[in-house]
Amino acid sequence: QQQVKQSPQSLIVQKGGIPIINCAYENTAFDYFPWYQQFPGKGPALLIAIRPDVSEKKEGRFTISFNKSAKQFSLHIMDSQPGDSATYFCAASRRTPLVFGKGTRLSVIA
Amino acid sequence: GAGVSQSPRYKVAKRGQDVALRCDPISGHVSLFWYQQALGQGPEFLTYFQNEAQLDKSGLPSDRFFAERPEGSVSTLKIQRTQQEDSAVYLCASSAKIGTEAFFGQGTRLTVV
Repeated sequence: QQQVKQSPQSLIVQKGGIPIINCAYENTAFDYFPWYQQFPGKGPALLIAIRPDVSEKKEGRFTISFNKSAKQFSLHIMDSQPGDSATYFCAASRRTPLVFGKGTRLSVIA
Repeated sequence: GAGVSQSPRYKVAKRGQDVALRCDPISGHVSLFWYQQALGQGPEFLTYFQNEAQLDKSGLPSDRFFAERPEGSVSTLKIQRTQQEDSAVYLCASSAKIGTEAFFGQGTRLTVV
């Protein structure tokens, strides 16, 4: 049973566009939802995280939207740039090791 | 150190060899995690330490995998009698406490030939 389902698997957007990556989770006990960015040959880097007491969080060009009743959360990247081309992972936990989605490969083309 | 450090970055092992992968967490971080990442996949949990105590090893794929953190700081993941299916990137992460921000190292890419 996959506890965190991520979509789409891959995404291509033009520079300046707003890619949206979605995740759905099974376990209603989860209370911490981070997003990680990974470049080839590097480890995942924490981008932004949210807890279920808020519905939205912004940090720079990155925004998480959280829908507790639907058990879904999403990452929006404003004014995307070619340098944002990477693989993005959502994750979830509740005082447990992180459970990751399978990742979304984002390509931002100029 | 400033971040999580892993060594070696790359390891090529002949099938049947034993390997040891090292992780230096961020100083003061209580929680330490090992993950396995296959090509094109998300990280899969292997094991978790709180200080020197191994609290969860449910993700270790077989008894050939063993991890330790004897002094609550540096950790070693050991794989005995390596098999081709062990080829993957092994990631280490640490956090001040579980359920908070976890920071990853660059990983060790293990190739078993």
